[in-house]
Amino acid sequence: GAVVSQHPSRVICKSGTSVKIECRSLDFQATTMFWYRQFPKQSLMLMATSNEGSKATYEQGVEKDKFLINHASLTLSTLTVTSAHPEDSSFYICSAKLDSGTEAFFGQGTRLTVV
Amino acid sequence: AQSVAQPEDQVNVAEGNPLTVKCTYSVSGNPYLFWYVQYPNRGLQFLLKYITGDNLVKGSYGFEAEFNKSQTSFHLKKPSALVSDSALYFCAVPPRRGFQKLVFGTGTRLLVSP
Repeated sequence: GAVVSQHPSRVICKSGTSVKIECRSLDFQATTMFWYRQFPKQSLMLMATSNEGSKATYEQGVEKDKFLINHASLTLSTLTVTSAHPEDSSFYICSAKLDSGTEAFFGQGTRLTVV
Repeated sequence: AQSVAQPEDQVNVAEGNPLTVKCTYSVSGNPYLFWYVQYPNRGLQFLLKYITGDNLVKGSYGFEAEFNKSQTSFHLKKPSALVSDSALYFCAVPPRRGFQKLVFGTGTRLLVSP
């Protein structure tokens, strides 16, 4: 299947700083990627849809200015958590799918800890 | 709105025994259903999907799922469990028929004991 790579896998940052997470489709082009958030022992919640060359679409309740998404190329989407706070600590996962496919492929996730 | 429900937080099974992880769905029209598995601190891995066709879908690692329209269920099954199958399993459905973003169930933790 298609490969989606996410970097970094773990990051610890101080409160008030910003953190960038990268999501790459390694062997295919993805016009659309998705960012999810997963709290401990909970399911994945969709945060936003990343659209190549245009603005991201955010789910209800997700702060656009806090979670900046950039999808500048067909193989890379980035999520920047701005002015991070401890409550932003979570597991962030991206996904992408082939335009002609049906199943989504997921990155390995990024564990963000804000101290 | 399309949704799926996983009624069991955890399923325990002994190695070698058959396993079932339950999922029921609530969708309008013909459903598209997916199963994913998540290992600790990892992303999700695709197991199988139902789009159309045969009600019994075979997937990765020996897993299969049976689509049952009358019971609105899509239970994940495996004839003989392995300890390495211990993980978190998610049933999912796209909110619309565009195969884009997914709505996930709450997840079921499968624990296979030696």
